[in-house]
Amino acid sequence: EVQLVQSGPEVKKPGESLKISCTGSGYSFPSYWLGWVRQTPGKGLEWMGIIYPSNSDSIYSPSFQGQVTFSADRSLRTVYLQWSSLQASDTAIYFCARARYCSGGGCYSPEYWGQGTLVIVSS
Amino acid sequence: DIVMTQSPLSLPVTPGEPASISCRSSQSLLHRNGYNYLDWYLQKPGQSPQLLIYLGSDRASGVPDRFSGSGSGTNFTLKISRVEAEDVGVYYCMQGLESPRFTFGPGTKVDLK
Repeated sequence: EVQLVQSGPEVKKPGESLKISCTGSGYSFPSYWLGWVRQTPGKGLEWMGIIYPSNSDSIYSPSFQGQVTFSADRSLRTVYLQWSSLQASDTAIYFCARARYCSGGGCYSPEYWGQGTLVIVSS
Repeated sequence: DIVMTQSPLSLPVTPGEPASISCRSSQSLLHRNGYNYLDWYLQKPGQSPQLLIYLGSDRASGVPDRFSGSGSGTNFTLKISRVEAEDVGVYYCMQGLESPRFTFGPGTKVDLK
């Protein structure tokens, strides 16, 4: 059974750094990218980008380029989302997600999702 | 970037009655391979999103057959043949043509009348 388990909720102050995690199990970890999705309070879903655990290559959506950093540790089957300096506007729930299938060089239809990590940034 | 829109943004429903949500994309999602790269998700209150429909009309594993997806190009529809109380939540369409740069629609909130 494919499972994605995320780290627990965080409460931080503006300017602090943070790294949250997503650990995959039940499948070939290097074979699928893992994506990150942001959900701000009362709002919809925003796709942040992906990381390939096989080589840690990352692709960021334009809105998040330069704002966050993805990383991976294959030995731990874990990917990370990190901020160097949090802002109040980073308050959100963050989900990791894995594609349903890969074909023709691309992976599609995120089907497996973590439970979400709530990040609160407040002074 | 492909922009996704949905209508309506709010949909009160009656259990046992049908329901329909529309999704439009700013560019065609029809790939040269003949598939439409359009997915539908449902996020129930307090839960992670769950995949309902992929490639425009294929139901994901375990999804009841009262859910169906249709459409091609830039216009898509999600239909629920007979709404059940457990179907409340927010429905999102998402384009996958520009994988891995996906974009979601704004969401349609479905609740009971």
